[in-house]
Amino acid sequence: DGGITQSPKYLFRKEGQNVTLSCEQNLNHDAMYWYRQDPGQGLRLIYYSQIVNDFQKGDIAEGYSVSREKKESFPLTVTSAQKNPTAFYLCASNRHGSNQPQHFGDGTRLSIL
Amino acid sequence: RKEVEQDPGPFNVPEGATVAFNCTYSNSASQSFFWYRQDCRKEPKLLMSVYSSGNEDGRFTAQLNRASQYISLLIRDSKLSDSATYLCVVNFGTDSWGKLQFGAGTQVVVTP
Repeated sequence: DGGITQSPKYLFRKEGQNVTLSCEQNLNHDAMYWYRQDPGQGLRLIYYSQIVNDFQKGDIAEGYSVSREKKESFPLTVTSAQKNPTAFYLCASNRHGSNQPQHFGDGTRLSIL
Repeated sequence: RKEVEQDPGPFNVPEGATVAFNCTYSNSASQSFFWYRQDCRKEPKLLMSVYSSGNEDGRFTAQLNRASQYISLLIRDSKLSDSATYLCVVNFGTDSWGKLQFGAGTQVVVTP
C-alpha cells in the first residue's frame, strides 16, 4: 500500500538531547512537509522540501533541522535549542505545487521527560 | 487577526440532522482550498478539495465565496461517525510552495 510512514509513534526527549523523527513515503511525491500541532491550534509549518537536497524554513523552524538526501525520506531533528518541543508532529507530502492536497502520516507524539 | 479562522465549536448535532459551518481567510489571492477531518489524536485526512465555487461529495457539500472570503462545509444526514474536528486549509497564492495555512478546526459532535 502507498502511504507515508512516521516513526516512532511516541518519543520522549531528555533535557539537552537531540531527537530525530522519521518520515518515509512511497507515493513518489516530490514535496514533503513537517508540521507541528499544539492543542487547540492549527498546524504550523516547520520545514518543507520541494526536491531532493533542497529544503526551506517554514514559519517555526527555530530549534529544528531537516535533511532531504532521498526523495522518499525527510527526517526531522528536534534539537536541544527547541525549548518547548512537546507537540504532535505530522509529516505530509504532495505532488507538484501546493495547490495539490497534502497527505499525512499518522504522526509522532513528542514529550519531554 | 488569524489568516484562517474557524468557529471552534463544538457543534452538537442530532443524528440525521444537517450541520454547516464556515471558515474565513484573509488572503484574497488564495487559489485553492481544502477541508480535512481529524479524529482525536489522529492525523488529518482529506475530505474535499474546493477549487471553484464549490463541490459536493455524497452528504458533504463545500462552497466557496470569494467575494466574502469564506468557504463553508455542510454535512447532511449526519452520522455518528461524522464526529470529528474539521480543518479548513487554504493555499495562499499559486507560487507559494508549502504555504498552506490551517485553521484550528471546528469540532462536530453527532449525538444519537
